[in-house]
Amino acid sequence: DIQMTQSPSSLSASVGDRVTITCRASQSISSYLNWYQQKPGKAPKLLIYAASSLQSGVPSRFSGSGSGTDFTLTISSLQPEDFATYYCQQSYSTRPITFGQGTRLEIK
Amino acid sequence: QVTLRESGPALVKPTQTLTLTCTFSGFSLSTSGMCVSWIRQPPGKALEWLALIDWDDDKYYSTSLKTRLTISKDTSKNQVVLTMTNMDPVDTATYYCARIKDGYNSYNWYFDLWGRGTLVTVSS
Repeated sequence: DIQMTQSPSSLSASVGDRVTITCRASQSISSYLNWYQQKPGKAPKLLIYAASSLQSGVPSRFSGSGSGTDFTLTISSLQPEDFATYYCQQSYSTRPITFGQGTRLEIK
Repeated sequence: QVTLRESGPALVKPTQTLTLTCTFSGFSLSTSGMCVSWIRQPPGKALEWLALIDWDDDKYYSTSLKTRLTISKDTSKNQVVLTMTNMDPVDTATYYCARIKDGYNSYNWYFDLWGRGTLVTVSS
């Protein structure tokens, strides 16, 4: 199985900050990396697919980059509604699909 | 409007079999490329992928759970059913179903729409 490791596990930031979350794969996954946002008590929401493609309806302050084993999700200017947990998911090897352990983004 | 909704028992006893149903609308699982998957999340923990069924009735399972899982579809009812045998308290989780709309290429296996989830507690 491909292991996905996110860092940091938790992060405190302020409204307006630029924030970067990292996801590392245990082997190369090309650009087959997806990002989700999950708020408490809610289902995950797709933000970014194929490492850098913004899902329809997602604000442009969210961006993704990377290829191979190292990926980043960047929020350019944090908004109050962005405080949530973020997960990466690889779709390079689908037997099985694997997620990262999550990064909790909290208000400072 | 595309929606997915999970249903099933809120409480099951250890060793019992869990049956969950995902009822969806706004798309058809007979459409080429469409897939529906099950994903779970224990309280306070990360997401774990369980199983997937595609438009062609191909099925894929978590390697660690495949002996306990069965996924099936009823295209006429717009439903996907997941059964999990021999339930244990560690299987307590919120179970989600989610859609993949461009599943021709497994590299595109990302989940663009999710149900709200259903919490299943395993306890005697």
